[in-house]
Amino acid sequence: NAGVTQTPKFQVLKTGQSMTLQCAQDMNHNSMYWYRQDPGMGLRLIYYSASEGTTDKGEVPNGYNVSRLNKREFSLRLESAAPSQTSVYFCASRRPWEQFFGPGTRLTVL
Amino acid sequence: GENVEQHPSTLSVQEGDSAVIKCTYSDSASNYFPWYKQELGKRPQLIIDIRSNVGEKKDQRIAVTLNKTAKHFSLHITETQPEDSAVYFCAAKGGNQFYFGTGTSLTVIP
Repeated sequence: NAGVTQTPKFQVLKTGQSMTLQCAQDMNHNSMYWYRQDPGMGLRLIYYSASEGTTDKGEVPNGYNVSRLNKREFSLRLESAAPSQTSVYFCASRRPWEQFFGPGTRLTVL
Repeated sequence: GENVEQHPSTLSVQEGDSAVIKCTYSDSASNYFPWYKQELGKRPQLIIDIRSNVGEKKDQRIAVTLNKTAKHFSLHITETQPEDSAVYFCAAKGGNQFYFGTGTSLTVIP
């Protein structure tokens, strides 16, 4: 039981490049989330998926897209990376109440 | 949307003393209030949570209290130990979304 996994762990991009962050969970949870964490700002919700086939915007969705590929996988895509997207990205899944976080992806955009 | 405020942003205590972190929320519909501990470079880990139909919950040295009327909830850590040093986040769940406070950096001085 791996819980929530994320790839990659680290990534450096140049402005304008694109990439996809991958997230998977093996706990059979319906809900999955993508957050970004910046110093002094806590965790901010980018997108979430309440169930397979649905996605909704969170607080800071601009510049991102998501895909809920199946019940296990929820990916986050940056189409044209900007320096303002330099952050640590966490994926999470949720059973009725508790959230479980992945290990995070540290992304730097130059 | 929901707005969660957390205080203080930093807290230093002597080993063995108690630590208290406070959060307020704005949306009376929020019904679940978790607390997370995050060590440097690690993922947030749930340490205790409380639902809106409960006023207090305790787990060994950690307790959480909720005042729904005043819309605030607090984390209490007693008999602090150096390994309690970390950043602590409160959160409020409204619908499918979680809203996080900006974090409290707790340092326990041996």
